[in-house]
Amino acid sequence: AQSVSQHNHHVILSEAASLELGCNYSYGGTVNLFWYVQYPGQHLQLLLKYFSGDPLVKGIKGFEAEFIKSKFSFNLRKPSVQWSDTAEYFCAAGATLNYGGSQGNLIFGKGTKLSVKP
Amino acid sequence: NAGVTQTPKFRVLKTGQSMTLLCAQDMNHEYMYWYRQDPGMGLRLIHYSVGEGTTAKGEVPDGYNVSRLKKQNFLLGLESAAPSQTSVYFCASAVSYNSPLHFGNGTRLTVT
Repeated sequence: AQSVSQHNHHVILSEAASLELGCNYSYGGTVNLFWYVQYPGQHLQLLLKYFSGDPLVKGIKGFEAEFIKSKFSFNLRKPSVQWSDTAEYFCAAGATLNYGGSQGNLIFGKGTKLSVKP
Repeated sequence: NAGVTQTPKFRVLKTGQSMTLLCAQDMNHEYMYWYRQDPGMGLRLIHYSVGEGTTAKGEVPDGYNVSRLKKQNFLLGLESAAPSQTSVYFCASAVSYNSPLHFGNGTRLTVT
């Protein structure tokens, strides 16, 4: 069955600490991978995406993610977090092949809450 | 720059009542989705549409119906609300099946 797993439910860091949030996926065929961020009280926004090519992708606000096919992983990283990075982060996976519209959806992980202490 | 607009923003229903949530997008996107977000559960897909006049079931479709009569609108209906449907509902749209989603601001629904 298709699934996306985020192993950390809640991560607490101090400002300037480095961040790595884990994401593993189980998906038949090739996949497109995404990280979305939800700031408190707001809707989800795209942070970065991977479709193909360089497995190290850079997104907004200094975030990056690395696609490791052999590990079925797409971990999110940031070298130095800020208080404003406090949010919930969601990993998502979607099929690259459209089976007549039957797979026209992304599967989301359960999210990881990040709290950054000033 | 309206993007994806959801109405209403908040609603309180009594068990057994019905209501319709409206999602409108002005980006000419083909794909539209309805998700519910519950604490510790992430986002779960209720229904989606791959174009005007089409709808499909997602992960948690029971108790909900949808319609996509116009390309820009995607309606989510609750026929007989239950407390288990208390949630935050997000609508999203996308250009195609592998494109990033554009989310609305959400509707917070409480069923008592």
